[in-house]
This record gives sequence, structure tokens and C-alpha cells, in this order.
Amino acid sequence: GAVVSQHPSRVICKSGTSVKIECRSLDFQATTMFWYRQFPKKSLMLMATSNEGSKATYEQGVEKDKFLINHASLTLSTLTVTSAHPEDSSFYICSARRPRTGANVLTFGAGSRLTVL
Amino acid sequence: GENVEQHPSTLSVQEGDSAVIKCTYSDSASNYFPWYKQELGKRPQLIIDIRSNVGEKKDQRIAVTLNKTAKHFSLHITETQPEDSAVYFCAATGSARQLTFGSGTQLTVLP
Repeated sequence: GAVVSQHPSRVICKSGTSVKIECRSLDFQATTMFWYRQFPKKSLMLMATSNEGSKATYEQGVEKDKFLINHASLTLSTLTVTSAHPEDSSFYICSARRPRTGANVLTFGAGSRLTVL
Repeated sequence: GENVEQHPSTLSVQEGDSAVIKCTYSDSASNYFPWYKQELGKRPQLIIDIRSNVGEKKDQRIAVTLNKTAKHFSLHITETQPEDSAVYFCAATGSARQLTFGSGTQLTVLP
């Protein structure tokens, strides 16, 4: 149980276009999801906390207008990278809190590798 | 906010030997400390976790110890195998109830 699906796994786009990444909890409801960014051989940096039915909470230094997060249902959060540029190229990973575990036991999606040409 | 430091950044051990990875945290309110294993290009997988009311936890070849006074916790892998090779991340939940990750340790188990 507690499976998180993330799509697409890989996306290549031209500079200036927007890319949407989906994160779904398949067998549980996730009122809170988290979006991370990971550079090669680096740690996971929390970008924002996605809350169902309300605005996302962004970490300091993350541009909320560039990284749009929508959490319209209990099983889906989306991250849209708007007007993407090469420096936005990265590995983006979502996660959700496992139900009935308390604390912050997270299940991660498989990640999305974004390459902006 | 919480700050988690992890050492070493790289670790090579011979197959069968033990591996130890250490982390320190700054927020004394942190109460949950998971360890994740991430293979190249894959998602992080939870391998073991410990809560602040416990000093040690073991699951087969993997164990985690927590010293709340010193604010550090460690991952111990015994009888290492080549399939243990991966990047390991420690993490801590601070007062903001968000997980803060350490910088990661690239573990290589040499056959």
C-alpha cells in the first residue's frame, strides 16, 4: 500500500514552454504532498508543501509564480514549471505522507527528470 | 529551521564489512528520523526510521541509533553486500513538521 505515482518520468522541452508534472496517491488519500528538487549527486531540497484545497506553502527562495502547484483533490497534486529555462533542468520528486503513520513517514514518487533545451 | 548534516559524503567498504553513516540535527524539537536509500535515477526508499522516544532500532542487517542529548543519529549496515551500494539520506522532522534531508552518502560496497 501507499503507492505514489508520478508522471511523466522524463520530459524534454524547449526554453519558454511550460511543463506539468503530476503526482498521484494511488491507494490512499493525501491531504499533504511535498515537492522536492534534486540536482545530480545532491540532496533533496524541499520546494513546497502542497495542501489539498488551499494554497501551497513555498520554501524560501522558491518562485511561486514559476513553480505553480495545484492540489485540487485528495489524490492529485500537480507542479507546473512555467516558462522553463535551462537552469530549471533537474530531477523533481513528489512525496506524500503515508496514512495512519503519524510523523512524516513519506512515500516518494519515481521522480520526473526535466531537461530544458 | 532544522539543519541536518551528514557524514561521510562517500564511503567505500569491502563486501561483508560494516558501514556507518552519521548525522547531526539542530532542532531539539525533532522527533522523527528516517533513513532513505536512493539508487541512481530512482525514488528514495525508506529503509528504517526511529522516533525520539527510542534509542535504537534494528531490522536485520540495518540498525539506527539516536542520541537525543547530543542530537545525532547513525545508520549501521552490517555484512554489507554489493546491492547495498546506493546513496543514503538521513532526515529529521523539525518543529515545522517538514522533513529536512542530509546531504547524502554514496556507499560503495566492493566485491
